[in-house]
Amino acid sequence: EIVLTQSPGTLSLSPGERATLSCRASQSISSSQLAWYQQKPGQAPRLLIYGASSRATGIPDRFSGSGSGTGFTLSISRLEPEDFAVYYCQQYGNSQFTFGPGTKVDIK
Amino acid sequence: EVQVVESGGGLVQPGGSLRLSCAASEFTFSHYSMGWVRQAPGKGLEWISYITGTGNNMLHADSVKGRFIISRDNAKNSLFLQMGSLRAEDTAVYYCARWDGGSQSFDYWGLGTLVTVSS
Repeated sequence: EIVLTQSPGTLSLSPGERATLSCRASQSISSSQLAWYQQKPGQAPRLLIYGASSRATGIPDRFSGSGSGTGFTLSISRLEPEDFAVYYCQQYGNSQFTFGPGTKVDIK
Repeated sequence: EVQVVESGGGLVQPGGSLRLSCAASEFTFSHYSMGWVRQAPGKGLEWISYITGTGNNMLHADSVKGRFIISRDNAKNSLFLQMGSLRAEDTAVYYCARWDGGSQSFDYWGLGTLVTVSS
């Protein structure tokens, strides 16, 4: 089973700052099978990035994804007030779907 | 607009059963695989079940294998999760989500339905 680890657990930043979130896999995964989701309190998750670096429909270009193999990154270039949320990475492989534990981005 | 709406949650005693439903609309349901993802109170997301568009292939997480069964009725654009032998640790919000094979991601999610297992 592939385990995803996200860091940091919590990221405290101010609006306008850049956020860099990390997702590490316990073994190499295909970039095409790595996605990122945003979840706000009381809401369902929302797809942000798929294929490690492609933005989903309607996602602003301040969100970007990168990485390959075992290391992936979600970047938010300039935090807007609505970006403070929890972010999860997720992979599919070997007939299993795995989510990372999440990174909470909160207001400093 | 694509929509998936869950129903069927509620309070159930340990050892009991419950059937969740998910009604899909505004897309060709049979063309898409679907999944269930749950979230325990204050915790992260946990994938639990997946089914292909035809319904011929299903996957379940080890945590629910042998207790939960995913199914679908393409004629009614509906997804189901039959849950049995429920435990306190199954208490969670259960989300229905569409799996997009092209993007290899869950691209549309419902608002979720809360299942509480307690005596």
